Amino acid sequence: QALLVESGGGLLKPGGSLRLSCTASGFTFSDHYMTWIRQAPGKGLEWVSYISGSGSTIYYADSVKGRFTISRDNAKNSLYLQVNSLRAEDTAVYYCARGNSGFDYWGQGTLVTVST
Amino acid sequence: QSVLTQPPSVSGAPGQRVTISCTGSSSNIGAGYDVHWYQQLPGTAPKLLIFGNSNRPSGVPDRFSGSKSGTSASLAITGLQAEDEADYYCQSYDSSLSGPVVFGGGTKLTVL
Repeated sequence: QALLVESGGGLLKPGGSLRLSCTASGFTFSDHYMTWIRQAPGKGLEWVSYISGSGSTIYYADSVKGRFTISRDNAKNSLYLQVNSLRAEDTAVYYCARGNSGFDYWGQGTLVTVST
Repeated sequence: QSVLTQPPSVSGAPGQRVTISCTGSSSNIGAGYDVHWYQQLPGTAPKLLIFGNSNRPSGVPDRFSGSKSGTSASLAITGLQAEDEADYYCQSYDSSLSGPVVFGGGTKLTVL
């Protein structure tokens, strides 16, 4: 059974930076696209970014392009999201999910709060 | 403003049937991309409910079904149960420049 566990969230000031991590187990990590999806408090789901199994294909939502960087380390079964130049509107629970559409496994999420 | 449009809320009594619509455009659902549905119970991560327009993952009751036609898709829930009260999201792929993955705004299902 696949398992995804996110970590790295926290409380930051506007303009701050953070690296979110997602550790995978129970499946061959390198075989799968991986995706970050976020959900602002009381709001719907927003796709953030995805990366192919090899890392060669990457896409970002316009709202985070130039500020967020997705990466992965297949040797460590880990997915990352470097978030820079944080804004109040980046406040959300960040989920990692398996796949690039039709996400069959999700982590429990990690909360990022951007506030003065 | 979500690329895929869902009603904000639907409701039904136990045992009834409800449907949730998901309306897209020629750059996503109408382009032939699959529609997927997720259920999010309060305080939990979303769960894949329907994939590839009408397929249920193992463990999802057959009370849940999905369909797609033209630029729209629907999720139907029959024999409504109290435990079905949740938020439901549709998701598809999009060929526009704003990003390949799109979600609906979500629909809150209330079991009366």
